[in-house]
Amino acid sequence: NAGVTQTPKFQVLKTGQSMTLQCAQDMNHEYMSWYRQDPGMGLRLIHYSVGAGITDQGEVPNGYNVSRSTTEDFPLRLLSAAPSQTSVYFCASSPTLNYGYTFGSGTRLTVV
Amino acid sequence: GESVGLHLPTLSVQEGDNSIINCAYSNSASDYFIWYKQESGKGPQFIIDIRSNMDKRQGQRVTVLLNKTVKHLSLQIAATQPGDSAVYFCAENSGSARQLTFGSGTQLTVLP
Repeated sequence: NAGVTQTPKFQVLKTGQSMTLQCAQDMNHEYMSWYRQDPGMGLRLIHYSVGAGITDQGEVPNGYNVSRSTTEDFPLRLLSAAPSQTSVYFCASSPTLNYGYTFGSGTRLTVV
Repeated sequence: GESVGLHLPTLSVQEGDNSIINCAYSNSASDYFIWYKQESGKGPQFIIDIRSNMDKRQGQRVTVLLNKTVKHLSLQIAATQPGDSAVYFCAENSGSARQLTFGSGTQLTVLP
């Protein structure tokens, strides 16, 4: 099992550009989430999904979209990148609620 | 212990000593808690979890203590090793739809 796979590992965007951060898991987990981590801070929840076809907003959803067409994939879209979205993004999955999340290795995004 | 802001609390211990990392959680309704370890450049790694119907849970070299009266969580690491050097986060299920909310982390440094 590969676990949670995130691509790309690094990305530089210009302000106003759009892009999609990919996340895939091969553990048949129902729950998937996207977090962002800023320097010296904990992780903040952007969006989450409790199953295919179901998504909802977390703590900091503005500027991001998600969809969950399959159990395996949970892409995060930046609609119009802003410097404030410079961060490290982590995708995570869990088999059910109130169970330890498995995290991917992250995507380091810089918006200039 | 945990705190909000740009400066991570730090803890330095001698190799072989025991470490205690503290966390004050925010929501009295939280009933599930996790400790994660994050090494530089990597995603968070699950260490141990505990549910609110327990006060203590032990793993391999780690123990988590939960004091619901004062909303305090601690992680004890026995015989701390150089490989334990990392940032440690506590998380509680106080977010949207019981998603995980993370503290800001504690940097543990193991001294030779």
